[in-house]
Amino acid sequence: GAVVSQHPSWVICKSGTSVKIECRSLDFQATTMFWYRQFPKQSLMLMATSNEGSKATYEQGVEKDKFLINHASLTLSTLTVTSAHPEDSSFYICSANPDRGLFYEQYFGPGTRLTVT
Amino acid sequence: KQEVTQIPAALSVPEGENLVLNCSFTDSAIYNLQWFRQDPGKGLTSLLLIQSSQREQTSGRLNASLDKSSGRSTLYIAASQPGDSATYLCAVAPNAGNNRKLIWGLGTSLAVNP
Repeated sequence: GAVVSQHPSWVICKSGTSVKIECRSLDFQATTMFWYRQFPKQSLMLMATSNEGSKATYEQGVEKDKFLINHASLTLSTLTVTSAHPEDSSFYICSANPDRGLFYEQYFGPGTRLTVT
Repeated sequence: KQEVTQIPAALSVPEGENLVLNCSFTDSAIYNLQWFRQDPGKGLTSLLLIQSSQREQTSGRLNASLDKSSGRSTLYIAASQPGDSATYLCAVAPNAGNNRKLIWGLGTSLAVNP
């Protein structure tokens, strides 16, 4: 149990285009999901907290108009990188906090590798 | 402000050794502490979760301890194997607030050589 999927696993896009990444909790409901960004050989950087039915909460320094988050259901959150630029190339990971799990418990997706050319 | 530090940043050992990874945190008021494993280019796998009222948790060859008063946790790996090679991350759940955000260390990159 407690499986989180991400799609796509990797994507290459041209500068100026937008890319949508999906995060799904496959066997549990999650009102709260998280989006992280990870640069090579660095730790996770929390970008935003995604809440079903309400606006996402962005961390300081993260542009909400560039990284659009939509948590439309209890099993799906999406991250859209708008007008992508090469500096947006990174590894994006989502996690989900099960509604019936322990407080602070998070299950992670396998990540999405984004390369902007 | 809670800060989490992991030492060492990198570790290379021969197969079969017992080893200890360290995690320290500055604010002892925590809800729980978790250890995760990350393989290159992959997501994270939860290894052990220690609640603030617990002192240790064990899973197979892994044992994690927690000393809240001194702000420390250790992850002990017994009889290390090449398959244990990965980055190990420590994350603290703060006691205050309800935003469910974890505070992360930078990780320890472990290489177990056959």
